[in-house]
Amino acid sequence: EAQVTQNPRYLITVTGKKLTVTCSQNMNHEYMSWYRQDPGLGLRQIYYSMNVEVTDKGDVPEGYKVSRKEKRNFPLILESPSPNQTSLYFCASSLRETNQPQHFGDGTRLSIL
Amino acid sequence: DQQVKQNSPSLSVQEGRISILNCDYTNSMFDYFLWYKKYPAEGPTFLISISSIKDKNEDGRFTVFLNKSAKHLSLHIVPSQPGDSAVYFCAASGRSTNAGKSTFGDGTTLTVKP
Repeated sequence: EAQVTQNPRYLITVTGKKLTVTCSQNMNHEYMSWYRQDPGLGLRQIYYSMNVEVTDKGDVPEGYKVSRKEKRNFPLILESPSPNQTSLYFCASSLRETNQPQHFGDGTRLSIL
Repeated sequence: DQQVKQNSPSLSVQEGRISILNCDYTNSMFDYFLWYKKYPAEGPTFLISISSIKDKNEDGRFTVFLNKSAKHLSLHIVPSQPGDSAVYFCAASGRSTNAGKSTFGDGTTLTVKP
């Protein structure tokens, strides 16, 4: 089954404790992206990757890091999480670029205390 | 500056009637537009898209219309069904610049009443 898998689905943690949200896709997609969704707002793009070893900033990259060492994986790293990063996070992938429909994971709800 | 706007946070329609969801954009460099549907506790799923070289795209009960001069697109659902109740996001991207960037609207919550 074609899917984008995020882990964990839920996490409560404390300020400053490094965390990583993993994202994996099994569709051999070149493009992957991370978004955050806050109440009443749409999805805001954090980082995206056009292919292995190619990453670029979205609209809200501050406080986040990503890496794309393999095609299937695109982890999101919060080196020193802060309460304003409490949000619902989605990973997505598409065949190529954003002109192709993106497939989304089911989301990761992060609470930073 | 919000480049993609969905000005109606919510819309309620009767089953069987038409649902019209609207989206406005400001960036004339956008050349591809997509609609996604989102149920609670799930990720968004792709619904329908349109390229800027077209003004209409149809897929079953779903039709998207694009008015480039007005920088406006709309999603029509006919007939509406209770299972269509969800949050609908409009998204835009531009191939010519920043092909990897994707901009979403804030979403419209559609409720279809039986």
